Amino acid sequence: GAGVSQSPRYKVAKRGQDVALRCDPISGHVSLFWYQQALGQGPEFLTYFQNEAQLDKSGLPSDRFFAERPEGSVSTLKIQRTQQEDSAVYLCASSQYRTGEETQYFGPGTRLLVL
Amino acid sequence: GENVEQHPSTLSVQEGDSAVIKCTYSDSASNYFPWYKQELGKGPQLIIDIRSNVGEKKDQRIAVTLNKTAKHFSLHITETQPEDSAVYFCAYIGVTGGGNKLTFGTGTQLKVEL
Repeated sequence: GAGVSQSPRYKVAKRGQDVALRCDPISGHVSLFWYQQALGQGPEFLTYFQNEAQLDKSGLPSDRFFAERPEGSVSTLKIQRTQQEDSAVYLCASSQYRTGEETQYFGPGTRLLVL
Repeated sequence: GENVEQHPSTLSVQEGDSAVIKCTYSDSASNYFPWYKQELGKGPQLIIDIRSNVGEKKDQRIAVTLNKTAKHFSLHITETQPEDSAVYFCAYIGVTGGGNKLTFGTGTQLKVEL
């Protein structure tokens, strides 16, 4: 079946612009995660949704980062007033249930470059 | 805080040899330890995982071992092939912080040479 999809795959933004990154999780998956991956590093947790509820946003680096999942399926990560340090790959993952010890399936990521 | 150390950062082996990657974690309450493979331009893909109620798990050429007392877990790839070349990440889900987020290692760039 279809995996996690993300769009756009690549995004170039000028410093100060707002961007919106979209994630389509695997159909029926309850849990959705956003991670940020800097070049040459492992992914780092940003935020977690269980259905439409954002249960953990402890990894969001600043109040310029905002995520939503209004209907419990598609999610959008928004970054306002982008800065050069925001340049990274943004990964979305989903898992079937709400327990912690289960597989998270990752999408291909959105590569964001802020000039 | 939550932390996982991964070694080595790069690993070069000859085709057919074995490769071993090791990780050490800090959260003693962790119960779930997945390994991901990431190819260039793609998202991480789960290759094997282990839960704390077992010490070893094997799937064809891939095996993972877990030592909860020492807080170590390792990935073993036997009979390596060129298509095994990629970056490998260990990870765990800590009980702290809600018990859902993955904490990743820094990655190992594996190169399998012909």
